[in-house]
Amino acid sequence: SAVISQKPSRDICQRGTSLTIQCQVDSQVTMMFWYRQQPGQSLTLIATANQGSEATYESGFVIDKFPISRPNLTFSTLTVSNMSPEDSSIYLCSVAGSGRAADEQFFGPGTRLTVL
Amino acid sequence: QQQVKQSPQSLIVQKGGISIINCAYENTAFDYFPWYQQFPGKGPALLIAIRPDVSEKKEGRFTISFNKSAKQFSLHIMDSQPGDSATYFCAAFDYKLSFGAGTTVTVRA
Repeated sequence: SAVISQKPSRDICQRGTSLTIQCQVDSQVTMMFWYRQQPGQSLTLIATANQGSEATYESGFVIDKFPISRPNLTFSTLTVSNMSPEDSSIYLCSVAGSGRAADEQFFGPGTRLTVL
Repeated sequence: QQQVKQSPQSLIVQKGGISIINCAYENTAFDYFPWYQQFPGKGPALLIAIRPDVSEKKEGRFTISFNKSAKQFSLHIMDSQPGDSATYFCAAFDYKLSFGAGTTVTVRA
């Protein structure tokens, strides 16, 4: 499977600020996704990062709050904008196995965000 | 609401015992059922997965049992080891992955 890295691994931010999280994959992948995992909770899909077009957001998530870029087939960023303490979560990127459908997904190590 | 219901929330098993985690769903469009293992501070790792055309899949000490008519599937961890202590998530895929709430497994030495 692909090797996925995320930066930063963790951060502590002040409310009202924004943080951009990077996801880098060591091989080209068609599908990349961003998830949120609130403390002690399950994973929730935020959006699908589409290369060359706007991301596809799930219900409850909007582009103004979580802008996503996908400039190429190995890299994506997620920005958490105008943060509040409720945004404190682990943010995870995932990729679908190359050449497969989006079902078999592999996750990065996550970015642990704390908002004060 | 949660599309995949997972139980129990936590379980404790002795070393060498069997851990069993159950999941249930209603959406018949789901066609792929993976299990993920997550250690504290790490991202979830794909452990084993099954498609609805088979009733059982085994990989080492991990087995998925799938009951299509009952819309249920389960993970069995045989000969549980302390290194298996982690949180396990079941999931189901239609156009996206929907995750269960997670089960924290503790294996006592």
